[in-house]
Amino acid sequence: SQTIHQWPATLVQPVGSPLSLECTVEGTSNPNLYWYRQAAGRGLQLLFYSVGIGQISSEVPQNLSASRPQDRQFILSSKKLLLSDSGFYLCAWSVQGIGIQPQHFGDGTRLSIL
Amino acid sequence: EDQVTQSPEALRLQEGESSSLNCSYTVSGLRGLFWYRQDPGKGPEFLFTLYSAGEEKEKERLKATLTKKESFLHITAPKPEDSATYLCAVRQGAQKLVFGQGTRLTINP
Repeated sequence: SQTIHQWPATLVQPVGSPLSLECTVEGTSNPNLYWYRQAAGRGLQLLFYSVGIGQISSEVPQNLSASRPQDRQFILSSKKLLLSDSGFYLCAWSVQGIGIQPQHFGDGTRLSIL
Repeated sequence: EDQVTQSPEALRLQEGESSSLNCSYTVSGLRGLFWYRQDPGKGPEFLFTLYSAGEEKEKERLKATLTKKESFLHITAPKPEDSATYLCAVRQGAQKLVFGQGTRLTINP
């Protein structure tokens, strides 16, 4: 069966510091990968998605970037964090190809910027 | 622009008291509507995909239905362990899901 791992679970960072959040998927090959942010009282917002190694699509302009160095690894980064980057960051995967496939989420990283 | 609105924002029920959650959507050409359950501090857990008006899906005490403008998540004889936030999303384009704000459901014993 497929599993998705995110780490760390919680993170407290000062304003202006760098960020690296990692997500890995097991039990499937060539998945679509996604990064979402869930701010308090707001719905999930898609930040980035990837359909293959090195292929990144950005949904909203922001202070963050994403990379996919390996087939089942997705990384969310920032060079300098802002207060507005606080939130709950979720990684998700879906099967590529035929039909309408659901996205499956990890357990997220709670990021607090001080 | 595609939009998803869920109601109510919060719902408290007694154990065994059946009810329904609503998800209204405006989308040009529905390509899938998804229901998720989210527990506090966790990621959303996939429940159902609905593809076309008239479709129904069931899982234990949950039943999801779809019309051309909205979807309902019916919960029958709920138990305290059904307490969670329930999220609805519609597919936009090839990859994007547009989520509603969710309904926070509390089942009191």
